[in-house]
Amino acid sequence: SQTIHQWPATLVQPVGSPLSLECTVEGTSNPNLYWYRQAAGRGLQLLFYSVGIGQISSEVPQNLSASRPQDRQFILSSKKLLLSDSGFYLCAYQGIVSYEQYFGPGTRLTVT
Amino acid sequence: DAKTTQPPSMDCAEGRAANLPCNHSTISGNEYVYWYRQIHSQGPQYIIHGLKNNETNEMASLIITEDRKSSTLILPHATLRDTAVYYCIVWTYGQNFVFGPGTRLSVLP
Repeated sequence: SQTIHQWPATLVQPVGSPLSLECTVEGTSNPNLYWYRQAAGRGLQLLFYSVGIGQISSEVPQNLSASRPQDRQFILSSKKLLLSDSGFYLCAYQGIVSYEQYFGPGTRLTVT
Repeated sequence: DAKTTQPPSMDCAEGRAANLPCNHSTISGNEYVYWYRQIHSQGPQYIIHGLKNNETNEMASLIITEDRKSSTLILPHATLRDTAVYYCIVWTYGQNFVFGPGTRLSVLP
């Protein structure tokens, strides 16, 4: 069966510091992978998606970037965090039969 | 922009059926209706999806009107653990899922 992991679970970072969030998927090959952000009390915003190694599509231009160095690894990064980057970051992969998305447990980021 | 309209909130008594409506009047013939839910502080969870036929699984039933312009997610016996935000999404292959504000369902004891 497939599983998806994210870490860290929570993170508190000062403004201007770098960021690296990691997502890994087990039990599937070449999945479509997604990064979402959910600000407090708001809906999910798609940030990036990837259909394969090294292939990244950005949905929202901002100071975040994503990379996919391995088939089942998806990384979200920032060189300098802003206060507005605070939120709940969710990674997801897409099923290959019914195309539904399966989400990880999320990382709650607070930028201070 | 989300292609669906849902009521912002609903209440349901524990043990009763929860019927969550969704309007998608501009749905195209090749677009599916997907439902997810998000329990507080967790990632969204896939529930069910359908094209035009009614669907049922261990979690819920999905009723799609004949003209496909609306649908209803039914939780047959709601429990306190079903309290969550429920998202109705119209999707077709090649698109990304767009999560709107959803319906906040409160199951009351």
